[in-house]
Amino acid sequence: GDSVTQMEGPVTLSEEAFLTINCTYTATGYPSLFWYVQYPGEGLQLLLKATKADDKGSNKGFEATYRKETTSFHLEKGSVQVSDSAVYFCALSAFSGGYNKLIFGAGTRLAVHP
Amino acid sequence: DTGVSQNPRHKITKRGQNVTFRCDPISEHNRLYWYRQTLGQGPEFLTYFQNEAQLEKSRLLSDRFSAERPKGSFSTLEIQRTEQGDSAMYLCASGGLSLGTDTQYFGPGTRLTVL
Repeated sequence: GDSVTQMEGPVTLSEEAFLTINCTYTATGYPSLFWYVQYPGEGLQLLLKATKADDKGSNKGFEATYRKETTSFHLEKGSVQVSDSAVYFCALSAFSGGYNKLIFGAGTRLAVHP
Repeated sequence: DTGVSQNPRHKITKRGQNVTFRCDPISEHNRLYWYRQTLGQGPEFLTYFQNEAQLEKSRLLSDRFSAERPKGSFSTLEIQRTEQGDSAMYLCASGGLSLGTDTQYFGPGTRLTVL
């Protein structure tokens, strides 16, 4: 079945460091891909998405490119801030039977220190 | 756009009790989803509504769980005879009208603790 694999955390960085969180997927068909962020005690917020191969999603300085050849959707940010500390989830969405459901990775915790 | 809301935000109950959670989706969204998230894991799909029709239920949704969306607006998730293994965050999400619109917007969740 469809699945998402993320790099294990926690990822600990100093402020202004470069961030990469790896995400690979297995899916039949051509799913949309998402990154969601979860701050402590809160629900999930959509960070960015990409709907087809070679699309780049971007938001708040974060970027991810849909790579069909490597089945990857790695999250990057050039300069992280303390306020980026959160758990990041990679997810795929595939339509089946007229609706979609999201399949999530286990999440990667990011801790940014001043 | 007021976003997806969920109530209560926290619920503590004793094993064997029944609990009910409510989700109010974004008003123009006809798709509504429930997910369960356990500590350290990503959310897992439980069930899906299109308008008032429940079109899909995960095998995770045992017969102690029931979900409704009576008028195609808000939804409720009830757990009967709660067990300690039901302790989790229950997340509701809603999505837009058109086929092919696959973005889901999540509420803040209801955290259930079963003692």
